[in-house]
Amino acid sequence: QSALTQPPSASGSPGQSVTISCTGTSSDVGTYNYVSWYQQHPGKAPKLMIYEVSKRPSGVPDRFSGSKSGNTASLTVSGLQAEDEADYYCSSYAGSNNFGVFGTGTTVTVL
Amino acid sequence: QVQLQESGPGLVKPSETLSLTCAVSGASISGSFWTWIRQPPGKELEWMGYISHSGSANYKSSLKSRVTISVDTSKNQFSLKLSSVTAADTAVYYCARGVVYRLDIWGRGTMVTVSS
Repeated sequence: QSALTQPPSASGSPGQSVTISCTGTSSDVGTYNYVSWYQQHPGKAPKLMIYEVSKRPSGVPDRFSGSKSGNTASLTVSGLQAEDEADYYCSSYAGSNNFGVFGTGTTVTVL
Repeated sequence: QVQLQESGPGLVKPSETLSLTCAVSGASISGSFWTWIRQPPGKELEWMGYISHSGSANYKSSLKSRVTISVDTSKNQFSLKLSSVTAADTAVYYCARGVVYRLDIWGRGTMVTVSS
């Protein structure tokens, strides 16, 4: 099972928006609405930001939103803030045989 | 609140078995799924497998021959065993609640180095 493909980096100025893509295949992202996004600050454990493509856990700001089209899922961070600077990973259900896969990760920089 | 804490040796010799435990506090281990994830230094997250409170497990196919995840409901904890380790198994190991597409609580992670 190959990792989902994400761009290595993305950036934006405070207040702007940034969108991160997560490209899989018809065996994972394209078939299942079980895509999630995790935020990881350096030296810290990941934090769930989005699950089931577009749902936000309690406590996650509504500046974070998720969507999916075909084999590609996306995370948009609107109104960028300094604390949004982190690594972001997508993940997806990949069927009963392979079950789960993470993305390659994207480093978001707030300029 | 719910907390997870990984524990185990920080150094394991090549060819030996890596053993880690994740203690769950603030919630019962029953009724949820529990997952192990690892992250080699400077690399991406890798899903390793999960176990249900009833003991049903599912593993990443490439690790299936070497990994075992078990649960101990009496101690409210679950464990990871990875056999025949090599330097490629050097990583931060995380335990988490849920399944890969919805891991809502994570432990802080524990660094395991494979070296003689």
